Amino acid sequence: DVKVTQSSRYLVKRTGEKVFLECVQDMDHENMFWYRQDPGLGLRLIYFSYDVKMKEKGDIPEGYSVSREKKERFSLILESASTNQTSMYLCASSLWTTGANVLTFGAGSRLTVL
Amino acid sequence: GQNIDQPTEMTATEGAIVQINCTYQTSGFNGLFWYQQHAGEAPTFLSYNVLDGLEEKGRFSSFLSRSKGYSYLLLKELQMKDSASYLCAVVDSNYQLIWGAGTKLIIKP
Repeated sequence: DVKVTQSSRYLVKRTGEKVFLECVQDMDHENMFWYRQDPGLGLRLIYFSYDVKMKEKGDIPEGYSVSREKKERFSLILESASTNQTSMYLCASSLWTTGANVLTFGAGSRLTVL
Repeated sequence: GQNIDQPTEMTATEGAIVQINCTYQTSGFNGLFWYQQHAGEAPTFLSYNVLDGLEEKGRFSSFLSRSKGYSYLLLKELQMKDSASYLCAVVDSNYQLIWGAGTKLIIKP
């Protein structure tokens, strides 16, 4: 089974802190994604990457950056955390770079910014 | 704009049948996904429909009508473990996923 592992399940940070969320997948998937999930809203795409060192903005990239130095690892960075970034963050991966792909998700990282 | 609508919450009884609807208005259509998400867990893939009609997979079936912009997920012989949120997502003309807010399904004994 494909596994997507998010390093931190729960984090509490202070406003202005730099936050790193790590995601690793173990099945050689090409695509990786970062979403945030908030109550009453659909999943919103922050960034995605279809290759090492490549990144594309999603729908809500403001306040976030990403890094993909290795194929299996995709990191989400909050340069200066703010309270409105309190959310559940979901990492996902998919095999192909074209077509409609099934996403495999990690269990999520719940971030609270105080 | 692009829009996916699904009911916020539904309640059903163990052993019964429930239908969760999803209507969509998107720029183009390249398929529709259903995912299941238990509380505190990762969403997991349930089904993908790109052609009209019903796809059956055990106790779960998914239906699509492209002309009506409509899909439903049918769950039969409900079990307590089916209590979860069910997410509908449409693949648009750019192969981007547009997500509904999810339907929380509560199963009562």
